[in-house]
Amino acid sequence: RKEVEQDPGPFNVPEGATVAFNCTYSNSASQSFFWYRQDCRKEPKLLMSVYSSGNEDGRFTAQLNRASQYISLLIRDSKLSDSATYLCVVNSPGTYKYIFGTGTRLKVLA
Amino acid sequence: SQTIHQWPATLVQPVGSPLSLECTVEGTSNPNLYWYRQAAGRGLQLLFYSVGIGQISSEVPQNLSASRPQDRQFILSSKKLLLSDSGFYLCAWISSYEQYFGPGTRLTVT
Repeated sequence: RKEVEQDPGPFNVPEGATVAFNCTYSNSASQSFFWYRQDCRKEPKLLMSVYSSGNEDGRFTAQLNRASQYISLLIRDSKLSDSATYLCVVNSPGTYKYIFGTGTRLKVLA
Repeated sequence: SQTIHQWPATLVQPVGSPLSLECTVEGTSNPNLYWYRQAAGRGLQLLFYSVGIGQISSEVPQNLSASRPQDRQFILSSKKLLLSDSGFYLCAWISSYEQYFGPGTRLTVT
């Protein structure tokens, strides 16, 4: 089993739609969770950290489910500018390393 | 505020030539620093990380090496490039458990 797994997509959704991505992780001792956004040929940029109680930033909501070992990202009212690859990141316990998923590609269609 | 610089932005090198990529961080001291590589259409692969001057941890055995001669400087090197070294090289640092990336160097080995 991969340490961090994501559905590669692509998810093709119309503008205004709500879309959700999940990411599963294998190490139950992981404590830090993040979602990054990566545009084509650009560096990944931190979208949001994921807190135990869940957190929201505008149209974006992140949730953590420790029992099932997954995190989720919900995007409401999708915009064309949301088209990107979304990377799930989890810390590797006991190390200074972070494990990246291979990303989920989102295309928002006009 | 903290910023991270990488150069050059793009590089085309012949097989067998040497490589030196530099990353510097401003606005912080004693950061944890990371080198990643992203092959075309693939996820991020951790190459090296450093928790201090002269301290390098290698994640993948290959023909690359890293050095940290100064607190905020991280260098990725190779004596002889291979075709498989082509990719997008990203430097990153950590602030409050969140990882931030430089703009990256796109390397093409011909």
